[in-house]
Amino acid sequence: AQSVTQPDIHITVSEGASLELRCNYSYGATPYLFWYVQSPGQGLQLLLKYFSGDTLVQGIKGFEAEFKRSQSSFNLRKPSVHWSDAAEYFCAVGAIKAAGNKLTFGGGTRVLVKP
Amino acid sequence: EAGVTQFPSHSVIEKGQTVTLRCDPISGHDNLYWYRRVMGKEIKFLLHFVKESKQDESGMPNNRFLAERTGGTYSTLKVQPAELEDSGVYFCASSLGYTGTSYEQYFGPGTRLTVT
Repeated sequence: AQSVTQPDIHITVSEGASLELRCNYSYGATPYLFWYVQSPGQGLQLLLKYFSGDTLVQGIKGFEAEFKRSQSSFNLRKPSVHWSDAAEYFCAVGAIKAAGNKLTFGGGTRVLVKP
Repeated sequence: EAGVTQFPSHSVIEKGQTVTLRCDPISGHDNLYWYRRVMGKEIKFLLHFVKESKQDESGMPNNRFLAERTGGTYSTLKVQPAELEDSGVYFCASSLGYTGTSYEQYFGPGTRLTVT
């Protein structure tokens, strides 16, 4: 069974500082990987996704993530955080199946941005 | 293009009552999913429709939950009777397909259900 671990429940970062959110997954083959963000009062918005190819993936809002097969990781990074990045971030893995593609989510990391 | 919409945004009901949640997927998306996040836990998959057929309902917690997607358009999720542990946020998502870039799931804003 697939699983996702986000080791950090909360992270506090100063505005303008860099941010890295960790994600480790467990899956028997190459998975589809996703990062979603949920801002207060909003739904889940897709930041970026990895299906295949280049292991460094660029997303929206200046975010990027790197797929490292050897470490079963898909960490999310942003070089300079803005106050509007305060939100909860979710890493998810999707199974590559002939049909049916439920996502398995990590527990989420809540990011607080200090001025 | 309209996104995934869910109704209501909030619902407060008493234990034993019935609640029906509605999800309207993005037009043309055959795949529709329900997920749930209970307090302090992960977002968990409930079930997946392909058009009007249930493709995977392995995440449905028990038979108090009934999901339908008549005509392959909108979907409803009924909880009857509701229990305290059903409280949480129920998300709906839709996708065009299930391979490659059509795999991408678009989420609605969620329905926050509180059972008292």
